Amino acid sequence: EPEVTQTPSHQVTQMGQEVILRCVPISNHLYFYWYRQILGQKVEFLVSFYNNEISEKSEIFDDQFSVERPDGSNFTLKIRSTKLEDSAMYFCASSDRTFFSYNEQFFGPGTRLTVL
Amino acid sequence: AQSVTQLDSHVSVSEGTPVLLRCNYSSSYSPSLFWYVQHPNKGLQLLLKYTSAATLVKGINGFEAEFKKSETSFHLTKPSAHMSDAAEYFCVVSETSNTGKLIFGQGTTLQVKP
Repeated sequence: EPEVTQTPSHQVTQMGQEVILRCVPISNHLYFYWYRQILGQKVEFLVSFYNNEISEKSEIFDDQFSVERPDGSNFTLKIRSTKLEDSAMYFCASSDRTFFSYNEQFFGPGTRLTVL
Repeated sequence: AQSVTQLDSHVSVSEGTPVLLRCNYSSSYSPSLFWYVQHPNKGLQLLLKYTSAATLVKGINGFEAEFKKSETSFHLTKPSAHMSDAAEYFCVVSETSNTGKLIFGQGTTLQVKP
């Protein structure tokens, strides 16, 4: 069964450093998402991406964040200069958004980002 | 704006007894509703989804949920809990915008005691 994969599973970085979180969505999906979950809090939407551009972003997704689909298979989230409060589990998701899927999104296992 | 409230942060049941995880939603339109489960150190797995074809929705592992528009509820139930059901459960509503972002409830931790 096709699945969304994410690498790395755990990333530790120093405050101010850049990190890139990688995701491989399901191959025939066209809509891609990043969510995050700070420890003890709810899962929050960060950004949605379709047709090689951002379709919506949350208030969290400021200038320090960017997304890219560099090669038609990978979908990356970059944080330019990490802050302590960026420590969270980051989930990638993809969807085909057909009528019958009702926007079911398939999630990866997550990348735990720890900023020291 | 759409929102989801999970009424219990933690539910504890004994193995073999029924499970009830409560969820209320707020939506101006006919919503798309989901329940996702997250086992420790695992990703989010879809349990079931409300498709508007039937108000009682059956999902995987014996779970089901009933959509009640009059009560704006979408509670998750299972007749008999199994130890493997212990996990975090999220009630989720899909935005009606073109982007289709998901809005998550706070989550309910289900503990199953032997």
